[in-house]
Amino acid sequence: GAGVSQSPSNKVTEKGKDVELRCDPISGHTALYWYRQSLGQGLEFLIYFQGNSAPDKSGLPSDRFSAERTGGSVSTLTIQRTQQEDSAVYLCASSLAKENTGELFFGEGSRLTVL
Amino acid sequence: AQSVTQLGSHVSVSEGALVLLRCNYSSSVPPYLFWYVQYPNQGLQLLLKYTTGATLVKGINGFEAEFKKSETSFHLTKPSAHMSDAAEYFCAVSVNNNDMRFGAGTRLTVKP
Repeated sequence: GAGVSQSPSNKVTEKGKDVELRCDPISGHTALYWYRQSLGQGLEFLIYFQGNSAPDKSGLPSDRFSAERTGGSVSTLTIQRTQQEDSAVYLCASSLAKENTGELFFGEGSRLTVL
Repeated sequence: AQSVTQLGSHVSVSEGALVLLRCNYSSSVPPYLFWYVQYPNQGLQLLLKYTTGATLVKGINGFEAEFKKSETSFHLTKPSAHMSDAAEYFCAVSVNNNDMRFGAGTRLTVKP
């Protein structure tokens, strides 16, 4: 597709369940980011992938959160044993880091609601 | 790591008034600076950016921002607010175009 694609767009789950959120970046973009947007909390950095380098996981809030990026393209963010405070919109963005623009292209986000 | 601070989580202005949204950054090396805008129920989109060269940067919809190294600031301005400017605005910083970090955001309300 032409843009960053995220799925599901909405996910409602019960406390304690695991969830997987998927991001399909723009083809050829080597950098991929996950952010969390909570009401009143702004945009919180979670994890960053750049090519084949080790990801920057410094923003992951707990060991219940993990992410992987297979083949340098699609990424999956996994939240284990979800808690109510995990409810938020999870945003994925990608960029063509080789170019000197730095612009991120965002997906529409995955809204997670933990009951 | 680099970071940004946006002063004021909410800013309210009257239509036609000056818009000023504040952003200060922290970086150990020359930064690249960005403003993104998120309109209601939409994704984030780039408003303007500073990488190198002229420190006064013009973006879409009449917005501009000035990079002031001595003040470590990159405030966003618009001379005359429109109702359509109501949105959330995010300042962001990156180093070497990687690892972009965002501020907490400022919600702009425009009163008729």
